Amino acid sequence: DAGVIQSPRHEVTEMGQEVTLRCKPISGHNSLFWYRQTMMRGLELLIYFNNNVPIDDSGMPEDRFSAKMPNASFSTLKIQPSEPRDSAVYFCASSPRTGLGEKLFFGSGTQLSVL
Amino acid sequence: AQSVTQLDSQVPVFEEAPVELRCNYSSSVSVYLFWYVQYPNQGLQLLLKYLSGSTLVKGINGFEAEFNKSQTSFHLRKPSVHISDTAEYFCAVSGPQGGSEKLVFGKGTKLTVNP
Repeated sequence: DAGVIQSPRHEVTEMGQEVTLRCKPISGHNSLFWYRQTMMRGLELLIYFNNNVPIDDSGMPEDRFSAKMPNASFSTLKIQPSEPRDSAVYFCASSPRTGLGEKLFFGSGTQLSVL
Repeated sequence: AQSVTQLDSQVPVFEEAPVELRCNYSSSVSVYLFWYVQYPNQGLQLLLKYLSGSTLVKGINGFEAEFNKSQTSFHLRKPSVHISDTAEYFCAVSGPQGGSEKLVFGKGTKLTVNP
C-alpha cells in the first residue's frame, strides 16, 4: 500500500484565495483525520470522519474552513478565503477505526503558505 | 481534559550517546500513551504505545518508554542514538472516553544527533 497520500506537497497562495488540500487514505481504513501543525500551537485535530461521515469538527477554527469526504478514498480540506495566519503544515491521517490504542497513519503533509 | 507536556523543545546529543526525551501527562483517569516520530518532510509514525500491562514498552528502532503512573510520566529512551534518529518526537495521550479521535499531542521535542 502506498500509505496516506496528500496533495499538493507545497502550496503558496495569496490572501483571499481559495485553497483546497486533498487526501487519499489507506484503502480499508474507515477513519480519517485532518490535523494542522504550527510552531505556536503544535499539532491540532481539525476534524475527523468515520465511514465518510464528519463526526467532530469542533477543531475547525472558523467558517472559512470546510472539509468533505465524498467517498471512502478521498477527502478535501478547503479554506476560503485564506489568510496569512492559516500558514501551517496540514496533515491527513487515517486508521482502520477509531478506538482505544488505534494507530494513526499520517500522510507527508501539505505545507501551506498564505502571503 | 487531558494534556501533554514535553519538557524539552530541543535535545542535542552526540552519536552513540544515550538519550531521554521527557513527557508528562495530566489526567485524572486511566490513559493510553503514545510516542510518534516525525522525520524531516514526512508525516508522523508510531514508535510505541502503552495501553496496559508491563510499564516498560519497547518500540521500533531500539526505543523504549516507561509508564510511571505516580509521576504521570512516559519518558522515551534509547541507550545509543544514531544520526538517523534525528527527528521530532511527539508524545500523545488518549483516555477511556475516546480513542484515536481523542488523541492529544504534545508540542514535540526536536532530537538532533551530531557526529
